[in-house]
Amino acid sequence: DVKVTQSSRYLVKRTGEKVFLECVQDMDHENMFWYRQDPGLGLRLIYFSYDVKMKEKGDIPEGYSVSREKKERFSLILESASTNQTSMYLCASSPTPGTGLYEQYFGPGTRLTVT
Amino acid sequence: AQSVAQPEDQVNVAEGNPLTVKCTYSVSGNPYLFWYVQYPNRGLQFLLKYITGDNLVKGSYGFEAEFNKSQTSFHLKKPSALVSDSALYFCAVRARNTGGFKTIFGAGTRLFVKA
Repeated sequence: DVKVTQSSRYLVKRTGEKVFLECVQDMDHENMFWYRQDPGLGLRLIYFSYDVKMKEKGDIPEGYSVSREKKERFSLILESASTNQTSMYLCASSPTPGTGLYEQYFGPGTRLTVT
Repeated sequence: AQSVAQPEDQVNVAEGNPLTVKCTYSVSGNPYLFWYVQYPNRGLQFLLKYITGDNLVKGSYGFEAEFNKSQTSFHLKKPSALVSDSALYFCAVRARNTGGFKTIFGAGTRLFVKA
């Protein structure tokens, strides 16, 4: 079974702090994604990565950055946390499209509260 | 614009009755369609997908979905609902993006199955 783990289930940070959210997958997937989930808005893509050291902006990248130094690890960074970044953050991974597998595998999520 | 719509915020059904969760989409080209389920305080789990072939696809936990090209729909169905099916369901479509593809998620439909 694919396993995607996230470093924290719950996190409380203060406005202005730098926040790191870590994600690790154990299935050698090339693709990794960060989403935020808010009620009534579904999942919105923040950043994604198709390979080590590669990153692409998603739909809502403002206020976020990412790092992918190793294939299995994809980190989301909030440079200066703000209250409007209070949300559920979901990490996902998927194999390359050439495998015929297009579905994503999700971690349990990190519920971040910025006060 | 490429999009996914889940017209119902909530669906209520009695245990043992059939259930349907609706999804319509708008993408250019052939759609790759997915359903995911999220149980309380958990990440999303993949349920089923349509890539090509038979319009009726079967997935996990007895769920199935029917791809209807003319109506641009991909409704999720189950013949007999269980209380344990109560969860948040997301429809998603793989769509072309600058430089590749991305997955667009609907806003989600909360399913309540009453005993």
